[in-house]
Amino acid sequence: EAGVAQSPRYKIIEKRQSVAFWCNPISGHATLYWYQQILGQGPKLLIQFQNNGVVDDSQLPKDRFSAERLKGVDSTLKIQPAKLEDSAVYLCASSLAPEETQYFGPGTRLLVL
Amino acid sequence: AQRVTQPEKLLSVFKGAPVELKCNYSYSGSPELFWYVQYSRQRLQLLLRHISRESIKGFTADLNKGETSFHLKKPFAQEEDSAMYYCALKKAGNTPLVFGKGTRLSVIA
Repeated sequence: EAGVAQSPRYKIIEKRQSVAFWCNPISGHATLYWYQQILGQGPKLLIQFQNNGVVDDSQLPKDRFSAERLKGVDSTLKIQPAKLEDSAVYLCASSLAPEETQYFGPGTRLLVL
Repeated sequence: AQRVTQPEKLLSVFKGAPVELKCNYSYSGSPELFWYVQYSRQRLQLLLRHISRESIKGFTADLNKGETSFHLKKPFAQEEDSAMYYCALKKAGNTPLVFGKGTRLSVIA
């Protein structure tokens, strides 16, 4: 089966610009996650969707980050405006259900200058 | 709040030597523990989870609730084991994974 797809793979922007990342989960996976992985750290959950509803966004900086999964399939994560500290790899993962194994995408590496 | 600690950033061993990647956690309840692995230029993937009690690629990990540890072990390291390893914890129910900072394992020929 095809894995989790993410685009773009790399993005370089200047601070205060906006950026958007896209994720296509494995077909049939109801649960979708966005993680932020800063260099030297483990992934940190930003937001979790169950179908098109938000389950957990407690660690999402809502003043600048937003995410949606309108039709319960693809998802978009947006940062507006970006800060230097947002430089990280943004990982998308999906699972059949919250208690099932998470499958990760290749990530989007963001550099904010 | 729950926390996962991997005390070693880098672990180098010779091929054929035993490997132990340490993971300690802080959580007062009954957690689910996982080891994830990321090989060079590959995606993060699940290696094993404590509830399945499996041996994957020769690796095992035992949950020690008394010591709040979930160390990953392999008796004889192979070059292809070189990768980044992350320990992760999940509380029961619909709760997020909490990852440690990871340990880079380098197996030297």
